[in-house]
Amino acid sequence: DAGITQSPRHKVTETGTPVTLRCHQTENHRYMYWYRQDPGHGLRLIHYSYGVKDTDKGEVSDGYSVSRSKTEDFLLTLESATSSQTSVYFCAIRGLAGEDTGELFFGEGSRLTVL
Amino acid sequence: QKEVEQDPGPLSVPEGAIVSLNCTYSNSAFQYFMWYRQYSRKGPELLMYTYSSGNKEDGRFTAQVDKSSKYISLFIRDSQPSDSATYLCAHFWQGAQKLVFGQGTRLTINP
Repeated sequence: DAGITQSPRHKVTETGTPVTLRCHQTENHRYMYWYRQDPGHGLRLIHYSYGVKDTDKGEVSDGYSVSRSKTEDFLLTLESATSSQTSVYFCAIRGLAGEDTGELFFGEGSRLTVL
Repeated sequence: QKEVEQDPGPLSVPEGAIVSLNCTYSNSAFQYFMWYRQYSRKGPELLMYTYSSGNKEDGRFTAQVDKSSKYISLFIRDSQPSDSATYLCAHFWQGAQKLVFGQGTRLTINP
């Protein structure tokens, strides 16, 4: 158990509403990531964080913002949800104990449906 | 061209068969090569990783990397129904702190 909790696990919302997904870790890891997973596209990086208040964009960051005010929490916000943001969102942490292989540990996912 | 290409399948084989899953990649800077396994409605979990070219074996699983052709493979021997999952290849580029995933191959092992 990598100590990652995502909330909510399921959410249905309407187009134009704001949505915030939360990722909480208990391992004190520096790196945290948000991915989305869609059929035919695999996992695509939205944003990642390399420390408190330190974040950077991934390949599909348009329409998303993130915040990390504490080591243990990484929030993903959709300011105005669109149907194209219907997806399964995964949070991940990267452990850097020993060899840095880039290995990520994933949460269980948050399934978001935008109507 | 995508940085990592993986045949999405689906792939269906009988129990006990040898399974071969493959990925190609375009960025020669990739250093670590991984295979993740993802069961339905779960998060991916690391199955194996290799560094540079060569083979790595772990029980029924063998990961193979050929950097000259930018091709990686995962072989599953004596496949079991419990191996039914989506398998994702991934590559880590330390210089850019970047982990890039393939599309994933959905595998079903039929009893």
